[in-house]
Amino acid sequence: NAGVTQTPKFQVLKTGQSMTLQCAQDMNHEYMSWYRQDPGMGLRLIHYSVGAGITDQGEVPNGYNVSRSTTEDFPLRLLSAAPSQTSVYFCASSYSQPRIENEQYFGPGTRLTVT
Amino acid sequence: KNQVEQSPQSLIILEGKNCTLQCNYTVSPFSNLRWYKQDTGRGPVSLTIMTFSENTKSNGRYTATLDADTKQSSLHITASQLSDSASYICVVLGTHNDMRFGAGTRLTVKP
Repeated sequence: NAGVTQTPKFQVLKTGQSMTLQCAQDMNHEYMSWYRQDPGMGLRLIHYSVGAGITDQGEVPNGYNVSRSTTEDFPLRLLSAAPSQTSVYFCASSYSQPRIENEQYFGPGTRLTVT
Repeated sequence: KNQVEQSPQSLIILEGKNCTLQCNYTVSPFSNLRWYKQDTGRGPVSLTIMTFSENTKSNGRYTATLDADTKQSSLHITASQLSDSASYICVVLGTHNDMRFGAGTRLTVKP
C-alpha cells in the first residue's frame, strides 16, 4: 500500500491564483481530512469527509473548497490564494471517524507559499 | 487559548537518557487522547491512542500516561536514540470529531 499520497510537495502561488492540492489513499478509508500546520500552532482542521459524496467544514474552512467523488480521492481547492494561506497542508485518512479509536494516517504534506 | 497545551516547547537531551513530555488539556468531554511523532518535513505518525478509561499505554520505548481527572497526559521516552529527534504532538478528541492539536514539543537527541 502507498498509504496517503499528496501532490505537489512544494508550490509557490501568486496572490489571487487558484490551485488544487491532491490527496489520495489506497486503504479504503471512509474518513479523510485536510489540515494546515503553521509555526508555533497545532494542526487545524480545514475540511473533512466521512465518505464519498459527504463533506463538512472544520475549524478554518474559509478560502478552501473540497469534494469527495470517490473513496480514494479528496482534493483541496484554494479559490483565490492569499498570503495568509502560506502553510504546510496535510491530508489524513482513517477507517472511521477519529472519535472511534482507529489509526489516522497522514500524508507527507504540501508546503505552499503565497506571495 | 489553545485547548491543548504542551510543555516544554523544546528539549535537548543526550542519547541514552530518558525524558518526559507533558500535555495539559481542557477539552471536555473527550473521546480519546493521542500522541504523534512528526519527523522534520514529514507527516505525523501515531504512537499511542488512549481512551478515557486507560491510564497507561506503551509502544516500545514510548509510554503514555493519562490522568482524566486532572486532564493531563505525559509521554515518557526511555533510553533515547538519535532517531527520536522529532516533534511530539498531543491530540485530544472531543465527542464530535473535533480534534484539538497541541503545538508540539521539539525534541533533539544529541550524541
